Amino acid sequence: QSALTQPASMSGSPGQSITISCTGTSSDVGGYKYVSWYQQHPGKAPQLLIYEVTNRPSGVSNRFSGSKSGNTASLTISGLQAEDEADYYCSSYARGDTLVFGGGTKLTVL
Amino acid sequence: EVHLLESGGGKVQPGGSLRLSCAASGLLFSSYAMTWVRQAPGKGLEWVSTVSDSGASTYYADSVKGRFTISRDNSKSTLYLQMNSLRAEDTAVYYCAKDRITISSLDYWGQGTLVTVSS
Repeated sequence: QSALTQPASMSGSPGQSITISCTGTSSDVGGYKYVSWYQQHPGKAPQLLIYEVTNRPSGVSNRFSGSKSGNTASLTISGLQAEDEADYYCSSYARGDTLVFGGGTKLTVL
Repeated sequence: EVHLLESGGGKVQPGGSLRLSCAASGLLFSSYAMTWVRQAPGKGLEWVSTVSDSGASTYYADSVKGRFTISRDNSKSTLYLQMNSLRAEDTAVYYCAKDRITISSLDYWGQGTLVTVSS
C-alpha cells in the first residue's frame, strides 16, 4: 500500500494551464480505470473533481480534465483562477481491494 | 442533498479506544459502500477502511488492520469506526465518505472529526 507519487508543489499564473501528475504501478494506476482526483481547500473536506480517469461529477467546472497513460495519471487545470489555489490529491483502486492516495500537490496561483 | 456528519472524536490516551459515527442523510444509505479516510495534521489523505453496502464485506489499510473495525447500521443510516489500541500516529481528522462504486471514488464527504492520541 505505497502512496502514489505527486509533485509536492506547483504554481501557475491566472489564465495559464497546469498539469499535475500522479505516478503509480501496474498494481494500481496502470491496472485499473478507477483513478480519481480531489481538491481540498484549507480546513475543508476534499471534493471529488474527476472519477474513473476522465469523468467529471455534475457541478465540476470543465476547466478540470483527467487522463492516464500507462502508470501515470494526470489532472489538467485550464484557465487557472485564484480559487483553484488548493491541495490536489489523486487516488486509485489497488490490487487487493485497497484504495491508495497520492501524497498531494499544493497548487499556488501566482 | 447528501449530508454526512461525523461525531465521536476527541482526545484519548495511547492504547485507548474510541468509536466514531457518521450519520448520513439525503441518500439511500443501504445502496452504497462507505469509507473512512484520515488526514494527520499537515499531512495528506490516507484511506483507512471501506464497508460494502450490506456490511457483509470490509476492507482495511494495513496500518489499522486488527485494531480498527468498520461497521454500519442501515436501519439508522449510520456508519461506524471502532478504534482500539490507539497510537500517537493515529492522530488525524477522520472523514467519512460515500463511495460511487466500492473502493473507487468518493463523491460525498463529511466535515471530519478530530482524533488526538496523546498522554
